[in-house]
Amino acid sequence: EAGVAQSPRYKIIEKRQSVAFWCNPISGHATLYWYQQILGQGPKLLIQFQNNGVVDDSQLPKDRFSAERLKGVDSTLKIQPAKLEDSAVYLCASSLMGAANTEAFFGQGTRLTVV
Amino acid sequence: QKEVEQNSGPLSVPEGAIASLNCTYSDRGSQSFFWYRQYSGKSPELIMFIYSNGDKEDGRFTAQLNKASQYVSLLIRDSQPSDSATYLCADDKLIFGTGTRLQVFP
Repeated sequence: EAGVAQSPRYKIIEKRQSVAFWCNPISGHATLYWYQQILGQGPKLLIQFQNNGVVDDSQLPKDRFSAERLKGVDSTLKIQPAKLEDSAVYLCASSLMGAANTEAFFGQGTRLTVV
Repeated sequence: QKEVEQNSGPLSVPEGAIASLNCTYSDRGSQSFFWYRQYSGKSPELIMFIYSNGDKEDGRFTAQLNKASQYVSLLIRDSQPSDSATYLCADDKLIFGTGTRLQVFP
């Protein structure tokens, strides 16, 4: 079974530039999560999709971050414009259903450095 | 946002000892909890989940849940240096705590 695929693995951009991350979840997984993990901290949930609908985006900084999941499969997360404090690893995870009693699988993450 | 809290550590234990990792949560509606392990530079991977009060054992790992006290713990018996990692607690909405770094020394 293929895992959660993310790209790119690494990205370095200057502040005020824009960047996009891509995630392909495990086949058949309805729920998709995007997390931001700053060094030394736990993953912070940015947005949760159930199929192509948003379940929770309360922690997404909507003035600069956007995410979509067209057709309920792949997802992209965009930052525009980036700030220095956006430097982090961006993790995508997927699960069959909501998290209540099902395992979420994580991708390798995208390490973003904003300079 | 409802919170999940952990002591960031590091927790240092000798090889062969029991490591005890703790987590508290604020959302009384949370029904299940997950323990993930994250090695440095890697992504989190699930160790165990628990949804009933009491203990759940899986090999060297035991998860404990006390809903009245809003407390979840993970015990690792016979700790090995390979268990050195950050342990993340999450609720049923996959809200994570800050993680506890465990160091097992030979």
